[in-house]
Amino acid sequence: AQSVTQPDIHITVSEGASLELRCNYSYGATPYLFWYVQSPGQGLQLLLKYFSGDTLVQGIKGFEAEFKRSQSSFNLRKPSVHWSDAAEYFCAVLAGGTSYGKLTFGQGTILTVHP
Amino acid sequence: EPEVTQTPSHQVTQMGQEVILRCVPISNHLYFYWYRQILGQKVEFLVSFYNNEISEKSEIFDDQFSVERPDGSNFTLKIRSTKLEDSAMYFCASKGQGGNEQFFGPGTRLTVL
Repeated sequence: AQSVTQPDIHITVSEGASLELRCNYSYGATPYLFWYVQSPGQGLQLLLKYFSGDTLVQGIKGFEAEFKRSQSSFNLRKPSVHWSDAAEYFCAVLAGGTSYGKLTFGQGTILTVHP
Repeated sequence: EPEVTQTPSHQVTQMGQEVILRCVPISNHLYFYWYRQILGQKVEFLVSFYNNEISEKSEIFDDQFSVERPDGSNFTLKIRSTKLEDSAMYFCASKGQGGNEQFFGPGTRLTVL
């Protein structure tokens, strides 16, 4: 069965600093990978996704993520964090090959941004 | 831009009562899902629904839970006899034919007293 690990429960960065949120997955075949963001009281918004092809994917709000098969990782990055990026971030994997496949989420990483 | 909507945003109920959480998926989507997130924990899959039947369900989705698409627009999750441990945020999601992206609603926070 697939699983997702986000090793960092809470990360604090200063506004303008770079950011990297870690995600490791376990899945036997090529995974479909996602990053979602959840602001307080809000639902889950998709930031970006990887299905195949270029291993560096660009998303909304200036985020990008790199798929590294050898490390089973899909880390999320942003070169310069804004105060509005403070939220909880979830990495998720979708079991490929099933049209109605379920998402398996990581534990989430809470991002705090200091001015 | 089309979006998934959920009602109510917050539901408070007494233990043992039945609750129905409602979702309106994106109109041309065919695959529907319920997930839940207990406070401080990860988002967990409950059930997927396609072609008017359950496609897959997790071990959480026991006989106390049921899903229904009563008409062409709504997708509901019913909990027959709520327990304290059912307190969570419940998210509905939908997906179109041929796509892999699930679109999530804003969630319903269920509080069982």
